[in-house]
Amino acid sequence: QLQLRESGPGLVKPSETLSLSCSVSGGSISGSPYYWDWIRQPPGKGPEWIGSIHYSGNTYYSPSLKSRVTISVDTSKKQFSLKLTSMTAADTAVYYCARHPLGSGSAMDVWGQGTAVTVSS
Amino acid sequence: SSELTQDPAVSVALGQTVRITCQGDSLRSYFASWYQQKPGQAPTLVIYDEKNRPSGIPDRFSGSSSGNTASLTVTGAQAEDEAVYYCNSRDISGDHVIFGGGTKLTVL
Repeated sequence: QLQLRESGPGLVKPSETLSLSCSVSGGSISGSPYYWDWIRQPPGKGPEWIGSIHYSGNTYYSPSLKSRVTISVDTSKKQFSLKLTSMTAADTAVYYCARHPLGSGSAMDVWGQGTAVTVSS
Repeated sequence: SSELTQDPAVSVALGQTVRITCQGDSLRSYFASWYQQKPGQAPTLVIYDEKNRPSGIPDRFSGSSSGNTASLTVTGAQAEDEAVYYCNSRDISGDHVIFGGGTKLTVL
């Protein structure tokens, strides 16, 4: 059974860059008909899609975050990663990675447990 | 627009039927999916591509759509169905994913 696990710092200072990784186990990340997504959820609010990557490297980013986001994939490590620059308090959230089947409009069928990130000095 | 609108809260008596709606212009072109989220947990997909149920999701959950509105129906709501439900879909461009603000379902 496919499992996703996020890893990274729980605390980031304002103006710094957040770097998170998502490890994929129990399945393949390459050659597979899926996009791999990052989503975040601020405290008490709904989820916000950050972006998607295909193992080929094709990416899509949220228009509101595009200038600050980079998503990359390392198929040899079965990981995909998120970098978000110029962090502010508004970026405090639980960050999730998820699997997103190709051909499905928006369905994310497997989620990681999430990792809480706080932006504070 | 590229927004999905949900009622903030709905309630249902135990064993009764409730419908949760999601409105947005992009729903005229793209399917909605639905997620259940309980406190402290990641969202769980309960309906995808308008009306399909992932394996393991009880058949009391069903989805439908008409015009710019997608709906999630829970037929015979159970206590364990109390949660926040989110819809998501594509924006008008089709290149980006958007989420609704969520509906808190209370089972009385």
